[in-house]
Amino acid sequence: QQQVKQSPQSLIVQKGGISIINCAYENTAFDYFPWYQQFPGKGPALLIAIRPDVSEKKEGRFTISFNKSAKQFSLHIMDSQPGDSATYFCAASTGTGNQFYFGTGTSLTVIP
Amino acid sequence: DAGVIQSPRHEVTEMGQEVTLRCKPISGHDYLFWYRQTMMRGLELLIYFNNNVPIDDSGMPEDRFSAKMPNASFSTLKIQPSEPRDSAVYFCASSLLGQGRGNEQFFGPGTRLTVL
Repeated sequence: QQQVKQSPQSLIVQKGGISIINCAYENTAFDYFPWYQQFPGKGPALLIAIRPDVSEKKEGRFTISFNKSAKQFSLHIMDSQPGDSATYFCAASTGTGNQFYFGTGTSLTVIP
Repeated sequence: DAGVIQSPRHEVTEMGQEVTLRCKPISGHDYLFWYRQTMMRGLELLIYFNNNVPIDDSGMPEDRFSAKMPNASFSTLKIQPSEPRDSAVYFCASSLLGQGRGNEQFFGPGTRLTVL
């Protein structure tokens, strides 16, 4: 059973556009929600993360929006660039352990 | 810091052979994770260790898979006998609970396994 559901599976965006990737979860014990970025041939790397005590976190062009009541969170990439082309994974974990539950990934392609 | 080190980076073997993947976590980290990534199933957690002790191996697909962590700086994932459906990229990751940016897991570069 997929603990974290991610959509879309793939996304194509024009350079300068906004990329939006969505994730949903059911387990209300989750209290840490990271996004990982993976380039071809590399391991995933932490991009940005949020805890449920805030509704939004921004780091440069990357923003996480978090809706605790809906149990949803999303990644927004503003002014998308070709260098942002990668696979993005959302994840969730609880405070009692360090196990991450990853979404199935979104392949983002930014067209010049 | 060299980051998480995995070897080999690529492995091609024939069905029925034993395969051993190796991982050196970041020094001082107390959690180590093994993941498998395929196009069909995405990133799957196979097993994870805390202070060298296996905590959850429910993701290990079957008895052909085994993992050990004899000390804090080394772990192995073994497949015996290997099958073509084991072909995937295997990642090792490590973390230190509560440090840095939350519970950040640091991934190695992965081992691409091809079983013919």
